[in-house]
Amino acid sequence: DTEVTQTPKHLVMGMTNKKSLKCEQHMGHRAMYWYKQKAKKPPELMFVYSYEKLSINESVPSRFSPECPNSSLLNLHLHALQPEDSALYLCASSHPSGRYNEQFFGPGTRLTVL
Amino acid sequence: SQQGEEDPQALSIQEGENATMNCSYKTSINNLQWYRQNSGRGLVHLILIRSNEREKHSGRLRVTLDTSKKSSSLLITASRAADTASYFCAPSGSARQLTFGSGTQLTVLP
Repeated sequence: DTEVTQTPKHLVMGMTNKKSLKCEQHMGHRAMYWYKQKAKKPPELMFVYSYEKLSINESVPSRFSPECPNSSLLNLHLHALQPEDSALYLCASSHPSGRYNEQFFGPGTRLTVL
Repeated sequence: SQQGEEDPQALSIQEGENATMNCSYKTSINNLQWYRQNSGRGLVHLILIRSNEREKHSGRLRVTLDTSKKSSSLLITASRAADTASYFCAPSGSARQLTFGSGTQLTVLP
């Protein structure tokens, strides 16, 4: 299995809602990533988990809360988001050890905040 | 972390022609990767070139790397309509994080 899956594909939420994005991979990768991508812009790194521990948080607002419950799953909990948080949220995974760090991406969740 | 800058920002060619995209970066790297993204989808890894390599091929793709000029190029030969996508370079240093450049939007006209 060489796939990274993400659910849901689309999500519309109000500013007072709480929702979660999910990401799953079964490639044995022990590094997992969340990226945010606005239209016509490159993906921007949000969080990195290495061996289920948060290793990088790129100064992301606390209304985004990541969680890595096990080596195959990565969640992004959303609360009190703003309309400017509307974007494509991408999950990726890679081998954390070794010299090279090719990343495998999921198809993304298109988030709209009303 | 590194950041690449792609050139041109947009490229439109006829099917069957070759497409060349360039990437420049600022500091030393461990490797440089190229990714493709179809509209609204996830990124797909195309090719990785190590800092001690100068050229690499994969199917219709040819990547070059010039570490003295801190630049890389991606050549797609005999382009097809299905190659229409955004292409991002991602220079990677010792931290092994990827920071994507602004990308090149390639349109291949049938």
